Amino acid sequence: IAGITQAPTSQILAAGRRMTLRCTQDMRHNAMYWYRQDLGLGLRLIHYSNTAGTTGKGEVPDGYSVSRANTDDFPLTLASAVPSQTSVYFCASSDQLAGHNEQFFGPGTRLTVL
Amino acid sequence: GQNIDQPTEMTATEGAIVQINCTYQTSGFNGLFWYQQHAGEAPTFLSYNVLDGLEEKGRFSSFLSRSKGYSYLLLKELQMKDSASYLCAVRDSNYQLIWGAGTKLIIKP
Repeated sequence: IAGITQAPTSQILAAGRRMTLRCTQDMRHNAMYWYRQDLGLGLRLIHYSNTAGTTGKGEVPDGYSVSRANTDDFPLTLASAVPSQTSVYFCASSDQLAGHNEQFFGPGTRLTVL
Repeated sequence: GQNIDQPTEMTATEGAIVQINCTYQTSGFNGLFWYQQHAGEAPTFLSYNVLDGLEEKGRFSSFLSRSKGYSYLLLKELQMKDSASYLCAVRDSNYQLIWGAGTKLIIKP
């Protein structure tokens, strides 16, 4: 693994189903983030984690949950998917102790909820 | 509320210069970022400004005026591969990034 990976690449999901989007980074970054990107809108933060074992709510957390059991993994779970959660989801990570603390992004997961 | 404004779309000619503006109103300021995002891909980091002035990095430069809540990204010697969306983001008082909707830059030969 080099950098940050996400799985699946894309998914079509029936409304009401449970879904977990996976995110793994190998850069030993302390902070990780989940965003959704919708046409005409900026990236919106769903949840974040500043260090393993801690998580926080972003701008649009409703309907989503996260966990951070270790440094590398930061899964995002939709407990009961709804059509308004159709979006492109990006996971990102950053080293808050280094440089500008810029965020590095995974390739994204395109999710369609029908 | 917090707000980042940038033009939705701009068109420029290959070899020319283009300036993409960004204005912001946020609760606190801890730096401004520019990212590039090609269609269907992830955003990638371009530049960072935290003090007033110009930061130059090759063909790309970024300017910041904190008193005016204003930044611009300047792209010189445009190439076709520069066709992408350019995202402006401000780190607020909670150290979270607030993102603009992005400017889609179309380069014509």
